[in-house]
Amino acid sequence: GAGVSQSPSNKVTEKGKDVELRCDPISGHTALYWYRQSLGQGLEFLIYFQGNSAPDKSGLPSDRFSAERTGGSVSTLTIQRTQQEDSAVYLCASSIPGQYNEQFFGPGTRLTVL
Amino acid sequence: GQQVMQIPQYQHVQEGEDFTTYCNSSTTLSNIQWYKQRPGGHPVFLIQLVKSGEVKKQKRLTFQFGEAKKNSSLHITATQTTDVGTYFCAGRGLSFGAGTTVTVRA
Repeated sequence: GAGVSQSPSNKVTEKGKDVELRCDPISGHTALYWYRQSLGQGLEFLIYFQGNSAPDKSGLPSDRFSAERTGGSVSTLTIQRTQQEDSAVYLCASSIPGQYNEQFFGPGTRLTVL
Repeated sequence: GQQVMQIPQYQHVQEGEDFTTYCNSSTTLSNIQWYKQRPGGHPVFLIQLVKSGEVKKQKRLTFQFGEAKKNSSLHITATQTTDVGTYFCAGRGLSFGAGTTVTVRA
């Protein structure tokens, strides 16, 4: 079956603009995660959804970042008034919740803020 | 919050040699997962350990979960160029270590 997909694959924007990143999880996966990975760095947790609710928003770096999920499926991560330090690869993952919650990652969106 | 630390951050290995990377948590983990990210790719799940003292093998890779469930290790024998990448451990799926980036000298 299809894996996790993300769009766009690359996004170049100007400082101060808003951007929306999209994640389509694997069908049936109720858990969805967003991470940020800066060049050569580890995975920075941003937010986690269980269904449409986000029990853990602790990783969002600032109030410029928000995310939503509708219908228990697609999720969008919105960054308002982008800054150069927002440049990174944004990774989405999905999983079936439970003890064995292996995460399946999408290919990521590479965001470049000029 | 839960902190997962990985050492070393970088591992340069001669092809054919063995090496080990370590993952340490400040709190007891219910489980631990390992992922591999190839250069330019995304993380791919390798394995999950759940039981105290558990040891699992995947060909040349040996994963171990500590008795206290606060640390884990990944040991790779006879390193090959295909082992190049960054290996991450994750506790409870939300807290990833910074990873160990492995390069191999042929």
